Amino acid sequence: EDKVVQSPLSLVVHEGDTVTLNCSYEVTNFRSLLWYKQEKKAPTFLFMLTSSGIEKKSGRLSSILDKKELSSILNITATQTGDSAIYLCGPSGNTPLVFGKGTRLSVIA
Amino acid sequence: EAQVTQNPRYLITVTGKKLTVTCSQNMNHEYMSWYRQDPGLGLRQIYYSMNVEVTDKGDVPEGYKVSRKEKRNFPLILESPSPNQTSLYFCASSFRGVGNTIYFGEGSWLTVV
Repeated sequence: EDKVVQSPLSLVVHEGDTVTLNCSYEVTNFRSLLWYKQEKKAPTFLFMLTSSGIEKKSGRLSSILDKKELSSILNITATQTGDSAIYLCGPSGNTPLVFGKGTRLSVIA
Repeated sequence: EAQVTQNPRYLITVTGKKLTVTCSQNMNHEYMSWYRQDPGLGLRQIYYSMNVEVTDKGDVPEGYKVSRKEKRNFPLILESPSPNQTSLYFCASSFRGVGNTIYFGEGSWLTVV
């Protein structure tokens, strides 16, 4: 059975802080890992990590895939109140389109 | 425009009254999936489909049915809804293979009283 564990489940930080969100997975026939951001609507795509693309960066957000440790991290530097959201990771394997419980990030001004 | 369309977006219904939430995608995706989202529990997969006539249970299939008669449509059926199925539901789709993102519908708020 495929498993996805995200930590922490909830996090409160002040603007300007740097945060690291974790995702560990156990999936059969791992193909890729996706990160999504969800505010009060449908999730929106952030990053895709695969065997050929284990590190991605976009502005203040970056993500790394560690295939040996079966995990990924999402870093957000200089956080802003607009970063407040639920962050979801979804490793794709034999069972497609699965996600972890998410990390709820709250950024306080 | 590439999109996943869910209907209805909002529904209040009564216990035991059968309902169907439709999901349609216009991207010729093979994979489709239904999720429910409850506070603190992230996206829990209800059912998924890897292609036409191929469906499988996710983590929380009890009380739900699905069908995949056409590639573009993946309806979620609640035969006898109960209050514990009150939730926010998302449909999603993607292509097979590595390197494909997941597209989400806008969500359906369902309340069972």
